[in-house]
Amino acid sequence: DQQVKQNSPSLSVQEGRISILNCDYTNSMFDYFLWYKKYPAEGPTFLISISSIKDKNEDGRFTVFLNKSAKHLSLHIVPSQPGDSAVYFCAASGRSGNTPLVFGKGTRLSVIA
Amino acid sequence: KAGVTQTPRYLIKTRGQQVTLSCSPISGHRSVSWYQQTPGQGLQFLFEYFSETQRNKGNFPGRFSGRQFSNSRSEMNVSTLELGDSALYLCASSLEVQGSGANVLTFGAGSRLTVL
Repeated sequence: DQQVKQNSPSLSVQEGRISILNCDYTNSMFDYFLWYKKYPAEGPTFLISISSIKDKNEDGRFTVFLNKSAKHLSLHIVPSQPGDSAVYFCAASGRSGNTPLVFGKGTRLSVIA
Repeated sequence: KAGVTQTPRYLIKTRGQQVTLSCSPISGHRSVSWYQQTPGQGLQFLFEYFSETQRNKGNFPGRFSGRQFSNSRSEMNVSTLELGDSALYLCASSLEVQGSGANVLTFGAGSRLTVL
């Protein structure tokens, strides 16, 4: 049973517009949610995280929103740039050290110039 | 400071063989996790080691095993390889400061295994 779901395998956005990547989860015990970005032939790199006690976290062009009642989170990238083209993974975990990160299957974002 | 180093980067094996992959974590990181990435399946958790002890284990058969050494370096082994074991194997390390929030993993570039 998949605990973290990214239902959109791919997304195309024009340069300068907003990219919205979505993620749903089923385990209400998750404490933290993270987004990773992955380029081909590289390992995933950490982008941004949010604690379950917050509903928004912002870091430059990247903002993550968390809706606990809907068990849904989203990553907003604005403005989108061609260098943002990558696969984005949503991940979730319980308290640090006790549970491993559980990842979604990823969404491939293509930012078109 | 050096990142997470995985060796080898690429390897080809045949069915029935075994393979050992190596991971050197970031200096000072004591937790090492392994993930398998296959097309369309995302990253699936294999196991996690902390201070030479396996702390968590994913839902993989016993052919998949690992260990961690006293210097935090880790190896994973897959025995009796099957075609379906072809994947990118990712190692990640974390500093894990209790109470510091999300356990952010830093990943290596991965070892791409092809089983023929």
